[in-house]
Amino acid sequence: AQRVTQPEKLLSVFKGAPVELKCNYSYSGSPELFWYVQYSRQRLQLLLRHISRESIKGFTADLNKGETSFHLKKPFAQEEDSAMYYCALSGGDTGRRALTFGSGTRLQVQP
Amino acid sequence: GAGVSQSPSNKVTEKGKDVELRCDPISGHTALYWYRQSLGQGLEFLIYFQGNSAPDKSGLPSDRFSAERTGGSVSTLTIQRTQQEDSAVYLCASSFERLGQYFGPGTRLLVL
Repeated sequence: AQRVTQPEKLLSVFKGAPVELKCNYSYSGSPELFWYVQYSRQRLQLLLRHISRESIKGFTADLNKGETSFHLKKPFAQEEDSAMYYCALSGGDTGRRALTFGSGTRLQVQP
Repeated sequence: GAGVSQSPSNKVTEKGKDVELRCDPISGHTALYWYRQSLGQGLEFLIYFQGNSAPDKSGLPSDRFSAERTGGSVSTLTIQRTQQEDSAVYLCASSFERLGQYFGPGTRLLVL
């Protein structure tokens, strides 16, 4: 079975501080990992895909297969980063296409 | 371009009534997904369409739930004989190949 764990329900930091949102997964194969963000009263938005190795809005995430982790990082948090963040997994080239989501972490960036 | 759209944005119904929720995916996206988001259960997968066929219906919680997709585009999720535990936000997403799923704004369903 595939599972995504986000251990923190709430992460509160001050503006300018580094941020790390944790995500661990369980999957017997080669998964695809994603980060989604949901700002207040807005739809879920795709933030990052591990296969793209991109940086969006200053956020990066590296897939660590040894630790089965896909933590989201940003060196200097901004107030506009305050939102709900979801880590999600799908089954890769031959696996299940549907996303399995973690329970989400609410990031609060205080001024 | 236009994103995924869903209608209605809100739906209030009485227990036992049927409801239909609609999703218009991004043009050209061959895959379409339904999820629901509720306080107690988080984000749960319901059903996946590739074209007009549904190779994965494993997330549908009961036989009261069904969905169809026509013309490789619009999809309708139908809930028959609604129950209070069906109250949730129903989300639709679409994707092209495996380039990430793009979500609609959701339909907030309240069953009284």
